[in-house]
Amino acid sequence: DGGITQSPKYLFRKEGQNVTLSCEQNLNHDAMYWYRQDPGQGLRLIYYSQIVNDFQKGDIAEGYSVSREKKESFPLTVTSAQKNPTAFYLCASSIGFTSGRENTGELFFGEGSRLTVL
Amino acid sequence: SQQGEEDPQALSIQEGENATMNCSYKTSINNLQWYRQNSGRGLVHLILIRSNEREKHSGRLRVTLDTSKKSSSLLITASRAADTASYFCATSKAAGNKLTFGGGTRVLVKP
Repeated sequence: DGGITQSPKYLFRKEGQNVTLSCEQNLNHDAMYWYRQDPGQGLRLIYYSQIVNDFQKGDIAEGYSVSREKKESFPLTVTSAQKNPTAFYLCASSIGFTSGRENTGELFFGEGSRLTVL
Repeated sequence: SQQGEEDPQALSIQEGENATMNCSYKTSINNLQWYRQNSGRGLVHLILIRSNEREKHSGRLRVTLDTSKKSSSLLITASRAADTASYFCATSKAAGNKLTFGGGTRVLVKP
C-alpha cells in the first residue's frame, strides 16, 4: 500500500541535542512538507520541498533543517537552536507539478512523530 | 500566521445530530480543503471545494463556500460517535500551492 511513513513515533531528547525525524513516501509525489502542531492548535509549516534537491522555508523554519536528496525522503532535523521543540511533527506529501495530473495541493499525511524535550 | 480560522473551537453534540463548523480566511484562494484528525494521528483529507464552486457534497458531508465573505462551512449530517475528531480547514492561494491551516474545531459526538 502506498503511503507516508514517519519514524520514530515517539522521541525523547535532552536539551542541547539535535534529533532527526524520518519521513518516507512511496506515493511518487514530488512535493513534501513538514508541519508542527502544538496541543490544541492548528498546523504550522516548517519547511517544504516542491522537487528533489530543492526546499523552502515555511513560517517557522528557525531551529530546523531539512534535506531532499531523494524523491522518497524528506528528513527533518530539530536542532538545539530550536527553543521550544516539544511538539507533534507531521510530514505530508502532495502530487506536485511534474506528474501531469491535476495538482490541487491535497495533502497526504503520515501518522506523526511526537518529540518531547526532557 | 493562520490563514483560516475555525469557529467554534469546540463542539459537543449527541449522536444523530448535525454538526456545523465554519472557517474564515483572509486572502483570495484557489481552493479550500477540509481535513479530519483523530487524536494523536495524522490528518486525513475529507473534501475540496474550488473557488468557483459554492457547494459540494460527499456522503454525509456538505461544504459551502462564500468567496464574497471569505468563509466556508462544513456540515456533518447524522453524526456518529466515530465522527469524534478535530476538523481543520486549509486554503491554497494557487493551484498546487502550499496549504495554510486554521486552528481547528474539536468535535465530540456523544453516544
